[in-house]
Amino acid sequence: EVQLVQSGAEVKKPGESLKISCKASGYSFTDYWIGWVRQMPGNGLEWMGIFYPGDSDIRYSPSFQGQVTISADKSISTAYLQWNSLRASDTAMYYCVRVRRGGYKPIDSWGQGTLVTVSS
Amino acid sequence: DIQMTQSPSSLSASVGDRVTITCRASQSISSYLNWYQHKPGKAPNLLIYAASSLQSGVPSRFSGSGSGTDFTLTITSLQPEDFATYYCQQSYSTPHAFGQGTKLEIK
Repeated sequence: EVQLVQSGAEVKKPGESLKISCKASGYSFTDYWIGWVRQMPGNGLEWMGIFYPGDSDIRYSPSFQGQVTISADKSISTAYLQWNSLRASDTAMYYCVRVRRGGYKPIDSWGQGTLVTVSS
Repeated sequence: DIQMTQSPSSLSASVGDRVTITCRASQSISSYLNWYQHKPGKAPNLLIYAASSLQSGVPSRFSGSGSGTDFTLTITSLQPEDFATYYCQQSYSTPHAFGQGTKLEIK
């Protein structure tokens, strides 16, 4: 069974750094893209970016390029989403997602979500 | 970047109804169109990929059609568990943008 298990909820202050994680299991980690989707309170889904652990290829949405860093450690089948300096506007639910490498590339598996709250 | 526009933004329907949600891409995306269902407090779930292919385990009352720029998601005989928010997403080119969502509510 494919599972994406995300790290727990975080409460941080503006300006702080943060790295959340997503542990994958049940499939070959290097055969799929892994990425992140944001949902701000009361809003829809926003595609942030994807990372291919097989060759470290990475694609960011222009809206998130330079604002976050997506990475992965294939030795432990874990993906990460990192901020160097959080803002209140980063308050959101963040979903880890698995994306098929070839074909039509749907998101076929989702993590349970990590709620990030940024408040002074 | 490709923009995705869904309509309507919200929809009221009754159990047993047939509903259709539309999604339009700002340029041709062939059949690189996916549909997801999202319920409050849960992770979204893939319903349809490649515009019309039903994801394994998804009930056959869900169907998708379209190609190029115009797509539809149809739910026949609505069930109580179908009341949720639905999103389209293009996976033709990155960023794989989502539509703004359609909230399906009970009438």
